[in-house]
Order: sequence, then structure tokens, then C-alpha cells
Amino acid sequence: DTAVSQTPKYLVTQMGNDKSIKCEQNLGHDTMYWYKQDSKKFLKIMFSYNNKELIINETVPNRFSPKSPDKAHLNLHINSLELGDSAVYFCASSRVRTGIYGYTFGSGTRLTVV
Amino acid sequence: SQELEQSPQSLIVQEGKNLTINCTSSKTLYGLYWYKQKYGEGLIFLMMLQKGGEEKSHEKITAKLDEKKQQSSLHITASQPSHAGIYLCGAAPTGNQFYFGTGTSLTVIP
Repeated sequence: DTAVSQTPKYLVTQMGNDKSIKCEQNLGHDTMYWYKQDSKKFLKIMFSYNNKELIINETVPNRFSPKSPDKAHLNLHINSLELGDSAVYFCASSRVRTGIYGYTFGSGTRLTVV
Repeated sequence: SQELEQSPQSLIVQEGKNLTINCTSSKTLYGLYWYKQKYGEGLIFLMMLQKGGEEKSHEKITAKLDEKKQQSSLHITASQPSHAGIYLCGAAPTGNQFYFGTGTSLTVIP
């Protein structure tokens, strides 16, 4: 059983389009995250939700909007995609807000904007 | 299957003590990244190792990559409360898909 699943795994789209990446975890974790990984493999946190409440919202363009319908899901919607949005996006979850029990990461979504 | 195994899962040490965290891959590593998360915050990049036998240091944290063993170790000398957090290794064992370890939670008791 996949613990943290992201869909799609690959996404190729044109500039200006709107797209969504979905994330679901079946671990019963109460905190979920979205990270962006650049070409040098550096991870940068974008958002964090704890029990559907936004707790971390780093400086990202307003075109990025997270949506958490319930604590098992955290979707990422991106409007008006730009070339610089091309990256791998990772979803993760942890048991408690502090992440003290460690992370479980999804397999990543490779977004390519052309 | 888990591509990267970290050990230990959690660690509690007295301030001033040395400690080591290991990250072992089931496949050949093409590069190994170490991250740290302070409680309630996002991941912070610590260092990246690419060559077998490579060793890097940042302040009191030293990381080494041993390609033969497909393992990396992170060593903290004279630990301080500021070192507390979760340490996470990340790598691309196959050169394509990027994986993360399960993390090691470090508590430093003053």
C-alpha cells in the first residue's frame, strides 16, 4: 500500500495553463507538506497544513494555492504556469506538527512547463 | 521498498556529546544530500556529497559519503540544543527518482 501518493507522476504542460497536483496519505498523519525541489536537488518548503489548517506559507507566488479538503489530502493548484515553475514537487506527511516521528514522502511530481 | 534507510530513528543525547546518524542505500548512490528540519519549520539544506570518500563539514557537523558501502554518515561533535531537530538524507540511487530517508529525530538535553 502506498503511504503517500502523488498524482500525476509526470506533468508536461504549456505556459499559461492551470494545473493541479494531488496528494493523499493513508498513514493517519495530521500534518502534510508541499516541497519544491530545484534542478540542484535543493528542497524548499512551500506549504504545510496541520489538520486542514495552514501553518506554513512560505513566499511563493499567489499562483500557487494549496487546498486541503481533509487531513488525508493536500492538493496543489497552480495558475498561469510559467517556465520557472518546472521542478519536482514533493508531498510529505508527518505524524505530529513538529514532525518528530519523521517524514514520509511521496514519489514526487515532475512538472515541465514548455 | 525503502531505498534509503536511516538509523537511528531517534536519538537523545546530553549536550556536549558526539553523535552519528547513518543513511544506507540499497543501490549505488549518485549523490547524497543531508537536510535538517527544525521543529515546526521546513527542511533546511545542510550539504551535498557526490564523490566516494568525500567529506564535508559545516560548523560542528561533518558528513561523509562511502560509495562502496552505499552509505553516508552525519557526525555532530559536541552537540548543542541548537542541533535538535530532524535530520533527513536524500539521494537518487538510480540517477532518476529522488528518494528520502525516514528521518532521524535528534533531541539534545541541556
